[in-house]
Amino acid sequence: EAEVAQSPRYKITEKSQAVAFWCDPISGHATLYWYRQILGQGPELLVQFQDESVVDDSQLPKDRFSAERLKGVDSTLKIQPAELGDSAMYLCASSLEGRLGLAVKETQYFGPGTRLLVL
Amino acid sequence: AQKITQTQPGMFVQEKEAVTLDCTYDTSDPSYGLFWYKQPSSGEMIFLIYQGSYDQQNATEGRYSLNFQKARKSANLVISASQLGDSAMYFCAMREGGDDKIIFGKGTRLHILP
Repeated sequence: EAEVAQSPRYKITEKSQAVAFWCDPISGHATLYWYRQILGQGPELLVQFQDESVVDDSQLPKDRFSAERLKGVDSTLKIQPAELGDSAMYLCASSLEGRLGLAVKETQYFGPGTRLLVL
Repeated sequence: AQKITQTQPGMFVQEKEAVTLDCTYDTSDPSYGLFWYKQPSSGEMIFLIYQGSYDQQNATEGRYSLNFQKARKSANLVISASQLGDSAMYFCAMREGGDDKIIFGKGTRLHILP
């Protein structure tokens, strides 16, 4: 069964360092999402890609976070410099279409996540 | 205002009993979809069940069913014959027809007791 792949699974870093997370969506899925999940809360969307284009990055702290999906397949999320408050689970998800209004039932499939601890 | 409200931070249920996890939502869009996800301690979000706003019948998937009460804006998840492996966080989520985003509630931690 196809899965969303993420690496690394765990990352410990010191504040002010740079970190990067990688996501490979399910093959053929046009839409890719990055979420941040703080302990005890639900995931919150950071950025959404449709193919290689960003369609929503309104919640992405752009002074330190960046995301790219250059060839419309896998994606990288970077934090530079990391801060203590960035400690969280970073989840990647993909869906087949995700185009606006195409289907409200379009399910997002999640990867195992990357747990980040900033010291 | 919260779009998705899960009022039960945690629940303890005896194995083999049925359990209901509450979820209420807020939207003015007539077209929307409701999702339930399970998140075990490993961290992965596992899709469980989906209910569309225009669906006439409550969704069912194996031991999972969704008690959809549209007038009350309620979409409770029912797990029948609970198992130890059901212990996890459960998230209710919604996508509105005019938006691509899925908005998640804060979750309910379910503990199944042997």
